[in-house]
Amino acid sequence: GNSVTQMEGPVTLSEEAFLTINCTYTATGYPSLFWYVQYPGEGLQLLLKATKADDKGSNKGFEATYRKETTSFHLEKGSVQVSDSAVYFCALRGGSNYKLTFGKGTLLTVNP
Amino acid sequence: GAGVSQSPSNKVTEKGKDVELRCDPISGHTALYWYRQSLGQGLEFLIYFQGNSAPDKSGLPSDRFSAERTGGSVSTLTIQRTQQEDSAVYLCASSPRQGNEKLFFGSGTQLSVL
Repeated sequence: GNSVTQMEGPVTLSEEAFLTINCTYTATGYPSLFWYVQYPGEGLQLLLKATKADDKGSNKGFEATYRKETTSFHLEKGSVQVSDSAVYFCALRGGSNYKLTFGKGTLLTVNP
Repeated sequence: GAGVSQSPSNKVTEKGKDVELRCDPISGHTALYWYRQSLGQGLEFLIYFQGNSAPDKSGLPSDRFSAERTGGSVSTLTIQRTQQEDSAVYLCASSPRQGNEKLFFGSGTQLSVL
């Protein structure tokens, strides 16, 4: 079945540091890949997505590239801000399956 | 407009009691999902409703769990004879149509079973 593995946190960075959160997946067919973010006290919301190999999703300075050869979708940001502190979830939707399969989440804390 | 609304936001109950969790999806959204988020775990799929189709109940962990969606809108997740391992955050999400990848999540119900 489908599965998502993302790096375990927590991750603590200083403001303006470079961020990478690793995500790899297992799926049949050609899944769509997503990053969701959960800010403190809020519901999960879609951050970015990519629907086919080599696509790059981007939003709010975050980027992730769909790498089929390495089955990865790592999240990156060049310069994090305190306001980026949140839990980040990698997810996939496989083929015709409407269900999203999520990773365990990575807590990011950015200190000023 | 309003987002996905869940109630209560927190629920503390005693082992063996039944609980009902409510979800009001965004108006017009035909797809509705329930997920469970346990400490240190990812989001575990529980059940999916799409329009008038039969729900996908494949994620429900036991027959103590059930859910319904009345009139294609409000959904209720019921847990009977709660156990301590049921303690988790129960999240509801909706989307405009089947297969639409963007899910809109509520803030969840924190369930604590003592």
